[in-house]
Amino acid sequence: AQSVSQHNHHVILSEAASLELGCNYSYGGTVNLFWYVQYPGQHLQLLLKYFSGDPLVKGIKGFEAEFIKSKFSFNLRKPSVQWSDTAEYFCAGGAGNMLTFGGGTRLMVKP
Amino acid sequence: KAGVTQTPRYLIKTRGQQVTLSCSPISGHRSVSWYQQTPGQGLQFLFEYFSETQRNKGNFPGRFSGRQFSNSRSEMNVSTLELGDSALYLCASTADRGDSPLHFGNGTRLTVT
Repeated sequence: AQSVSQHNHHVILSEAASLELGCNYSYGGTVNLFWYVQYPGQHLQLLLKYFSGDPLVKGIKGFEAEFIKSKFSFNLRKPSVQWSDTAEYFCAGGAGNMLTFGGGTRLMVKP
Repeated sequence: KAGVTQTPRYLIKTRGQQVTLSCSPISGHRSVSWYQQTPGQGLQFLFEYFSETQRNKGNFPGRFSGRQFSNSRSEMNVSTLELGDSALYLCASTADRGDSPLHFGNGTRLTVT
C-alpha cells in the first residue's frame, strides 16, 4: 500500500538557520511527489513538485527538494529560513490526482 | 485567475443530519478532488471527479458522496452525520495535464454536534 511519512512533527528554528524536513514514501510504480505548505489561515499551496527528470527540484521562496530513489526519500531543504516561513509543511505522493499526504510538519521560525 | 472557491466556509450540523458542500474549480480545470483534514488522521483523499464522472474513490463509507456538474463545479454530500465527521473538507482542482498539480481551496470547516 502507498504511504508517505514525515518524521519531524514539530521543528523550531531561528531565522537564518538551515532547514531540512524529512519525507519518505512507499510506492509501487511511477510516483509523483510534492511538497505543499499551509501558512496560518491560508489554503494549501504548492511549494514544488517532482514528476521525473532531474532529482533536484527547485520551488518557490527558495525551497528545494531532492528525490533519492534508493532511499525512498524526498526531503525538503532551505538554506536560510525566515520568520515568514512559519507554517505547516506537507509531503505528498501519488499517481494522478489521488494523493497520499504525510502527517505534516509544523515549522516555527523564531525572529 | 480566481482560485478554487468553496462554500460555505463554516458549517455546524447536528448528528444524524446531512450536509452538502460546494466547490467551484479554477476556470478551465475539469478535475475536482475532495480531501478530509482532521488532526488525528491528517489529509485523506475522499474522491475525484472528472467530466462529471467519479474517477477515483478513497476509503470512506458510502455516507460520503459527490457529484460534478457540466460546468465542472462539484458538490459533496455527507448523510447521517457522525461526530467523527467534524473536519476541514478541502476541494482541489487541476488542469489534469501530465504535470499539473492540485490547487486547493480554503476549505469548509464542518462541526458536528
